[in-house]
Amino acid sequence: NAGVTQTPKFRILKIGQSMTLQCTQDMNHNYMYWYRQDPGMGLKLIYYSVGAGITDKGEVPNGYNVSRSTTEDFPLRLELAAPSQTSVYFCASSWGQVNTEAFFGQGTRLTVV
Amino acid sequence: QKEVEQDPGPLSVPEGAIVSLNCTYSNSAFQYFMWYRQYSRKGPELLMYTYSSGNKEDGRFTAQVDKSSKYISLFIRDSQPSDSATYLCAMRELLGNEKLTFGTGTRLTIIP
Repeated sequence: NAGVTQTPKFRILKIGQSMTLQCTQDMNHNYMYWYRQDPGMGLKLIYYSVGAGITDKGEVPNGYNVSRSTTEDFPLRLELAAPSQTSVYFCASSWGQVNTEAFFGQGTRLTVV
Repeated sequence: QKEVEQDPGPLSVPEGAIVSLNCTYSNSAFQYFMWYRQYSRKGPELLMYTYSSGNKEDGRFTAQVDKSSKYISLFIRDSQPSDSATYLCAMRELLGNEKLTFGTGTRLTIIP
């Protein structure tokens, strides 16, 4: 059972470049999330989705875009990468019901230089 | 003031010791409280969750919630080297708001 799969695991971007972080889950979860984790700062929610075709902003959405065309996939798009976007990005999914567990992917380490 | 405060550590204790990890919060609407464990270079994984005030025990782990003080704790008994990880508290409001608010995490090392 793969769970939540993120690609790539590592990436170095130049300032101004764009990229898409891929996330797919095989648990048929309705809810999916994107977080970023900076040293000493915990996890900050970027965007989340409660189902295919529905997305909403989290705490730190600026500089990012998402789409949810299928239940399984929730890609995160970075346009015009900036050094402030250097971080570890985690995708997660859950049923979205009370007391349910959020399953996290392994993370994508992104460096913008 | 941050919504959730957590001592970042690092915390080092000898094997077999009792470990106490804590978080405080300011949002009185939080009703669900969780502890995640994160090994180095891995994603967080859910360790325990509790609803409202009270205690919950699972093996060597006990989670406590005191809503009157806005304070939650995770106790680890008979700590093992395999418990070495970063522990993150997380909280959520009631149904209709699925967003988790995380603490900054406490890095724990158990010394053999």
